[in-house]
Amino acid sequence: GAGVSQSPSNKVTEKGKDVELRCDPISGHTALYWYRQSLGQGLEFLIYFQGNSAPDKSGLPSDRFSAERTGGSVSTLTIQRTQQEDSAVYLCASGLAGNTDTQYFGPGTRLTVL
Amino acid sequence: DQQVKQNSPSLSVQEGRISILNCDYTNSMFDYFLWYKKYPAEGPTFLISISSIKDKNEDGRFTVFLNKSAKHLSLHIVPSQPGDSAVYFCAASAGQGGSEKLVFGKGTKLTVNP
Repeated sequence: GAGVSQSPSNKVTEKGKDVELRCDPISGHTALYWYRQSLGQGLEFLIYFQGNSAPDKSGLPSDRFSAERTGGSVSTLTIQRTQQEDSAVYLCASGLAGNTDTQYFGPGTRLTVL
Repeated sequence: DQQVKQNSPSLSVQEGRISILNCDYTNSMFDYFLWYKKYPAEGPTFLISISSIKDKNEDGRFTVFLNKSAKHLSLHIVPSQPGDSAVYFCAASAGQGGSEKLVFGKGTKLTVNP
């Protein structure tokens, strides 16, 4: 079956521009997570959606970052006024409520801010 | 402040031998630990997990050991195969395997030589 998909796979933008990254989770998964991996670093938690509950935004690094999940399915991560330090691979994962083992990751979006 | 540490950025072993990947954590609230495997240009894939109520979990060639008093876990792969060559991430959560955000280490790149 279809896994988690993310688009675009690569995004190059200029400093100061806004970008939107998209995640299509596995159908039926109620949990959705965004992480990012900067060069030489581990995955860093950004935000977590679970069903209709308020999202856990505790990992968002600044107010330039926001995310939405529409209809309990597709999610978009928006970065406003991008900075060079935002350059990273942004990974989305989806999963089933109550089971951390089932966080299935997408291939990621590589964001480069020039 | 890194809560999950993988102090070896790389490891090289011979095919057929044992690979031992190590991970240390600092947060005593962590009660669930996971290992993920990542190939280039792909998202991480879940490999094996262990709850803090156990000290060992085995799945085929993969065994994870947890030493709570030392806040240390390790992943053993035996026998190692060339297809095991990948980056291995240690991750931890504080939700007893619920849909909780994961805290990742920086990863260890394993190379298994034929």
